[in-house]
Amino acid sequence: DVKVTQSSRYLVKRTGEKVFLECVQDMDHENMFWYRQDPGLGLRLIYFSYDVKMKEKGDIPEGYSVSREKKERFSLILESASTNQTSMYLCASSFGRGSTGELFFGEGSRLTVL
Amino acid sequence: KQEVTQIPAALSVPEGENLVLNCSFTDSAIYNLQWFRQDPGKGLTSLLLIQSSQREQTSGRLNASLDKSSGRSTLYIAASQPGDSATYLCAAEVSGYALNFGKGTSLLVTP
Repeated sequence: DVKVTQSSRYLVKRTGEKVFLECVQDMDHENMFWYRQDPGLGLRLIYFSYDVKMKEKGDIPEGYSVSREKKERFSLILESASTNQTSMYLCASSFGRGSTGELFFGEGSRLTVL
Repeated sequence: KQEVTQIPAALSVPEGENLVLNCSFTDSAIYNLQWFRQDPGKGLTSLLLIQSSQREQTSGRLNASLDKSSGRSTLYIAASQPGDSATYLCAAEVSGYALNFGKGTSLLVTP
């Protein structure tokens, strides 16, 4: 079975802190994604990567950055956390080039920014 | 931008009923359509993926259909069980890596 592991299920941070969310997949997938999910807004794509060291902006990249130094690991970075970044963050991966394909999600990281 | 709509937002049925969840999308030029299940506080689990060239996919008690010309997909769940209670989301991919999600249908199956 594909396994996508997010390092932290729950985090509480203070405004202005730098936050790292880590995601690791074990199926040699080319594509990795970071979404955030908010009530009433659904899932929105923050960033994705289709190869090592490659990154592309999604629909809501402002206030976020990403890093993909190894194929299996995709990190989401909040340089200076703000209260409006309180959300559920979901990492996903998929196989194949040129399209999203079948997505496999992690369990999610619920971030609260105080 | 592709708009994906799921109606109803919530549904409650007694155990054993067959049910249909609806998903509509505005742009018929899709790569594929996926259905997911999400349990409270958890990530999404992929249920079925229908490529644009396919009309339907089946997995166990689940059957998903795709009608691109009308901009609709349905997820049919046969003989529903309490364990099927979850939120079901559909997502349409219109171009490489652009997957647009609906807001989901929250399903409750009562014993």
